[in-house]
Amino acid sequence: GQQLNQSPQSMFIQEGEDVSMNCTSSSIFNTWLWYKQDPGEGPVLLIALYKAGELTSNGRLTAQFGITRKDSFLNISASIPSDVGIYFCAGLPRGTGNNRKLIWGLGTSLAVNP
Amino acid sequence: DGGITQSPKYLFRKEGQNVTLSCEQNLNHDAMYWYRQDPGQGLRLIYYSQIVNDFQKGDIAEGYSVSREKKESFPLTVTSAQKNPTAFYLCASSPRTGGKYEQYFGPGTRLTVT
Repeated sequence: GQQLNQSPQSMFIQEGEDVSMNCTSSSIFNTWLWYKQDPGEGPVLLIALYKAGELTSNGRLTAQFGITRKDSFLNISASIPSDVGIYFCAGLPRGTGNNRKLIWGLGTSLAVNP
Repeated sequence: DGGITQSPKYLFRKEGQNVTLSCEQNLNHDAMYWYRQDPGQGLRLIYYSQIVNDFQKGDIAEGYSVSREKKESFPLTVTSAQKNPTAFYLCASSPRTGGKYEQYFGPGTRLTVT
């Protein structure tokens, strides 16, 4: 099936550093979602974006719906050890209709060195 | 406390046996989903259901079956026809109204078949 291009694949940073990751597609999306997954657990929704250009924050996390509608970005400021995990982007392509099948990226694995 | 429950957390089966994974939600969501997660492959959609008594195949439905007799429940059966059933299985649900497409996940079931 279709997949989103999510990068980077993995990151290893020092505590306190800022983090940026992104998701791109060759087609237009109507919805972008960002999730975090801890080891052995289900993904947890962080931020949902529904309008091109939309910038939404959730604590130290900020996500943007790209103006071209083909990409989205997630930033984490002042990282802390509990930010460790895998971050997934997911989106709903334009014209999907009512089937509500999300398209997923392969994830960005984040490691934080205290 | 609203949410999605999956049981058991860990499941072990012998090759050739069918096994059913449980998924229950009390969020009053119409849509429910089953995903399979393997290392490095992100989330792959097995089956989804947008309403009671109706369900559709996802990207990797072969060797799996589902039922949706109640709004709250969407059990997944991994049959002996599934060639490589050992994986982490995630159930999710989503509201069908309000123009929102967020999916909310359960804690997952790790199935090991030997």
